[in-house]
Amino acid sequence: DAGVTQSPTHLIKTRGQQVTLRCSPKSGHDTVSWYQQALGQGPQFIFQYYEEEERQRGNFPDRFSGHQFPNYSSELNVNALLLGDSALYLCASRRQGADTQYFGPGTRLTVL
Amino acid sequence: KNEVEQSPQNLTAQEGEFITINCSYSVGISALHWLQQHPGGGIVSLFMLSSGKKKHGRLIATINIQEKHSSLHITASHPRDSAVYICAVIKGNLIFGKGTKLSVKP
Repeated sequence: DAGVTQSPTHLIKTRGQQVTLRCSPKSGHDTVSWYQQALGQGPQFIFQYYEEEERQRGNFPDRFSGHQFPNYSSELNVNALLLGDSALYLCASRRQGADTQYFGPGTRLTVL
Repeated sequence: KNEVEQSPQNLTAQEGEFITINCSYSVGISALHWLQQHPGGGIVSLFMLSSGKKKHGRLIATINIQEKHSSLHITASHPRDSAVYICAVIKGNLIFGKGTKLSVKP
């Protein structure tokens, strides 16, 4: 049983570009959350998707958007990249109604 | 002030020492996670607890809901325990502390 997978593992972009990160949830999970972890900080909640809709959102600008597909996989899109968007982006999945989240290995984004 | 505070931020111990990491939070929660993050980023959930105490091997986690405080203890610490330990509370979604970086020297 594969756990949560994310792609790519590393990514380098320049300011102003756009990026798409991908996440496949653990088998049987239908809810996907995305988190941003800056260096030396704890993760910060970006948003959560369930039934292909954004259900909750943290304090992130509209440049951060997402999508969930019918197979429960999810994408995180960031437009007009800023240097400050450099971080580890973590995806976590769970069954709706369950508290325990399972984390993917993360995608490390570097913006130059 | 962060909603979840951890202490200490950094901790260096000798192999075999008893380790305690503390977490205080200021919001009402349904449960609390202790997570372990190794270099490279992968996060593993160690415990989820909403009351009392849980034990898994050399790891023990306690929570006091009234005092809004939780502790993670590691007995007989080992260099392979070196990692960042993160406390996260469940309030709708997860609210994370900044983590405690533990280094256990042989």
